[in-house]
Amino acid sequence: QVQLQESGPGLVKPSETLSLTCTVSGGSVNSNTYYWSWIRQPPGKGLEWIGYIYYSGSTNYNPSLKSRVSISVDTSKNQFSLKLNSVTAADTAVYHCARVYAGDGPKYHFDYWGQGTLVTVSS
Amino acid sequence: EIVLSQSPGTLSLSPGERATLSCRASQSLNNNYLAWYQQKPGQAPRLLIYGASRRATGIPDRFSGGGSGTDFTLTISRLEPDDFALFYCQYYGVTRWTFGPGTKVEIK
Repeated sequence: QVQLQESGPGLVKPSETLSLTCTVSGGSVNSNTYYWSWIRQPPGKGLEWIGYIYYSGSTNYNPSLKSRVSISVDTSKNQFSLKLNSVTAADTAVYHCARVYAGDGPKYHFDYWGQGTLVTVSS
Repeated sequence: EIVLSQSPGTLSLSPGERATLSCRASQSLNNNYLAWYQQKPGQAPRLLIYGASRRATGIPDRFSGGGSGTDFTLTISRLEPDDFALFYCQYYGVTRWTFGPGTKVEIK
């Protein structure tokens, strides 16, 4: 069974950098069948896709966040990470990591999710 | 940019009733890239339907998806107490993912 688990600080100061890591178990990030993605959900609001990384290291980001986001992968640790810089209160959200199926047939759905971690931006 | 809308915003039903949720797109979609998720408070979303009509692994057959073009539906044939939750549709298009605003299915 594939499991994803987010980790990182729950509190970040305004203007600083939010850093989270997603550890994958039961599956490998070093796979050409999946993308590895970050999605966030502000309290009481809907879901916003942040970006993804492929095992090769190629990335794609939401244009609304592209100037502030970076996603990286560490295949040796079976992890991928998110960095969001220059954060404001508007970046307060539950941050989920998720796996995207990108193989044959119907694709580009999030088939496994991490439980999510609340990151609050406050001084 | 594709925009997804969902209706109704809230659906108040009793266990045993049928729920029909709508997802409408601002332009015609590729069915292969349309998915539905269920989210309960404090939990991650769970994949229900992908490819517009295919049930994900372990999803009961009372959940079904349909539609094409700009109009898609998620149907729960007979609501069970565990089904009451928030439901989102999602689409992948032009290298980005978009979610609808969600429909809450609550107990009447």
